[in-house]
Amino acid sequence: KNEVEQSPQNLTAQEGEFITINCSYSVGISALHWLQQHPGGGIVSLFMLSSGKKKHGRLIATINIQEKHSSLHITASHPRDSAVYICAASQDGNKLVFGAGTILRVKS
Amino acid sequence: KAGVTQTPRYLIKTRGQQVTLSCSPISGHRSVSWYQQTPGQGLQFLFEYFSETQRNKGNFPGRFSGRQFSNSRSEMNVSTLELGDSALYLCASSWDRVGNTEAFFGQGTRLTVV
Repeated sequence: KNEVEQSPQNLTAQEGEFITINCSYSVGISALHWLQQHPGGGIVSLFMLSSGKKKHGRLIATINIQEKHSSLHITASHPRDSAVYICAASQDGNKLVFGAGTILRVKS
Repeated sequence: KAGVTQTPRYLIKTRGQQVTLSCSPISGHRSVSWYQQTPGQGLQFLFEYFSETQRNKGNFPGRFSGRQFSNSRSEMNVSTLELGDSALYLCASSWDRVGNTEAFFGQGTRLTVV
């Protein structure tokens, strides 16, 4: 079993829909990161959280430390949100352990 | 403020050769981590450098090595290249290594081994 599990693997949504991506982890962490990767490879950090909830624009990330679970929500999705979303757990300093990623496609 | 810079962006090498990749972190960041991304294995941690010292190492063979200079720039080296080393290599810089500091990623170096 992977230390960081993400679901779903693939997600297709219509523009405007509310999207949720889930991440569960089985190891002790110092923080949970949500990352976005577009074709071409570059990775952008969306959120880093160790408790509670964070919001940035249409993106919301939550974490439940007791349940070892985090969610990334996208409200009013748009085709430009199409990307791979990856959750990653910080361990041992800055070592990141990654989920397999969720490929999101938003259709107009 | 300049972001994380990785050079080169693309590289084609032959089996058996060696390669050196470079990563310049954001100014002031002292931690540089390296990752390998392949379609089969996803993103995997290679190693982390902080203040010129390797602080953590992933589960990769000794052909993969790295170093960090006094200006925090880091290089990773892969010797005796194998076809399976073809991957996107990403580095990330952080201000510190307390674990809950944000990671900033470079655009990556895409290595193809033929």
